[in-house]
Order: sequence, then C-alpha cells, then structure tokens
Amino acid sequence: KQEVTQIPAALSVPEGENLVLNCSFTDSAIYNLQWFRQDPGKGLTSLLLIQSSQREQTSGRLNASLDKSSGRSTLYIAASQPGDSATYLCAVPTGANSKLTFGKGITLSVRP
Amino acid sequence: DTGVSQNPRHKITKRGQNVTFRCDPISEHNRLYWYRQTLGQGPEFLTYFQNEAQLEKSRLLSDRFSAERPKGSFSTLEIQRTEQGDSAMYLCASSFSMGTGGYTFGSGTRLTVV
Repeated sequence: KQEVTQIPAALSVPEGENLVLNCSFTDSAIYNLQWFRQDPGKGLTSLLLIQSSQREQTSGRLNASLDKSSGRSTLYIAASQPGDSATYLCAVPTGANSKLTFGKGITLSVRP
Repeated sequence: DTGVSQNPRHKITKRGQNVTFRCDPISEHNRLYWYRQTLGQGPEFLTYFQNEAQLEKSRLLSDRFSAERPKGSFSTLEIQRTEQGDSAMYLCASSFSMGTGGYTFGSGTRLTVV
C-alpha cells in the first residue's frame, strides 16, 4: 500500500527566503507525482505534475524534482512571498490516472 | 470550459438529515473522483467513475454514502442520515483515463453537521 509522507507539518519563513518542501513515498513504481496548493477552506490547485520519466518540472518560481529510486520529491520555492502562504500537498496515483494517495501537507507561512 | 465545478460550496445540516452534493467535471474528462478531507489531513479517496461506471469504492464509503454519474457527465454524492463525523470538505476531481494530464480539482463542498 502506497504511503506518502510530508515533513514537517508546518513551516514558517521570512519573506525572500528560498525553501524546499519534501515529499516521500514508499512504493517507487509511480506513474507521476503531482504537487498541489490549498488555501484555507478552498479546493486544490495543481502546481506541477512530474511524469515518472522526468527528473524535474519548473513553473515560474517553483521547481519540483523527482527521484523515484529513493522515493522522494522536493518542491523548491524561490524568493518566497507572503502570497505563497498556503498548504502544499503532494500526491501519487496508484495506477495510470487512478486514485491519488496524498500526504498530509505542509502548511507554509511566509512572514513579511 | 471553466474547470471542475462543485455545488453547494457550503452546507450546514442537522444530524440525521440527508444531503446531496453535485460535481460537474471538465467536459472532456471521462474519469471523476470523490475525496473527503478533514482538518489537518490530506484528501482521502472515496470513489471514482469512468464514464457512468463506478469502478472503485473505498471502505470509507459506508452504506450511508452513495454516488452516481448517470450519464457520464455530472456526478452526485449523497449522504443519508448524516452524523457529526461526516463533517468534512468533500472534493471532486476529474481526469482523462489515458495519457498523462494529471488531475483537476474543484473548490469543494464544506459540510457541517450540527
């Protein structure tokens, strides 16, 4: 059974800092990995999708990497801003376009 | 297409009442998923459909829960005889069954059972 872990549960950083959010998964036979952002009381917004054949994906100040063999992914946020404050979740499907298994998320607070 | 739409956004109900939520997926997507999320936790899978066929149901989906996707388009999730433990955010997502496009989520329905 796939298990996804995100540690720490919460993180507080000053504005402008570069930061890394970690995600680990137990079964390395994944099709892809997706990072989401969730604002309080809201739904999930997709940030980045990394296919199993890829090592990283970039979108603006965000960069996500994937190391299947070690069961890890990282989300790098450059020059953090208060508007980046949210919960960040990673998720992997159990099969191609099948149900997702989520981590519990990392709640990020960026202090002005 | 405006993405995945969920209605209502919020629902407050008394314990024992029945509630129904609706999800309209991205029209080109043939798969539709329901998840439940409680405070401080990641979303947990409930069930999913490919077109109108319900392909998998989680053990979390007790007999008080039923989901339908009658014409392979929108879906409804009904909870009968609600309990306080049903209070959660109910999220809907859609995707293609083939390809590598990932998942698109709606804004969710926040259920509060009082």
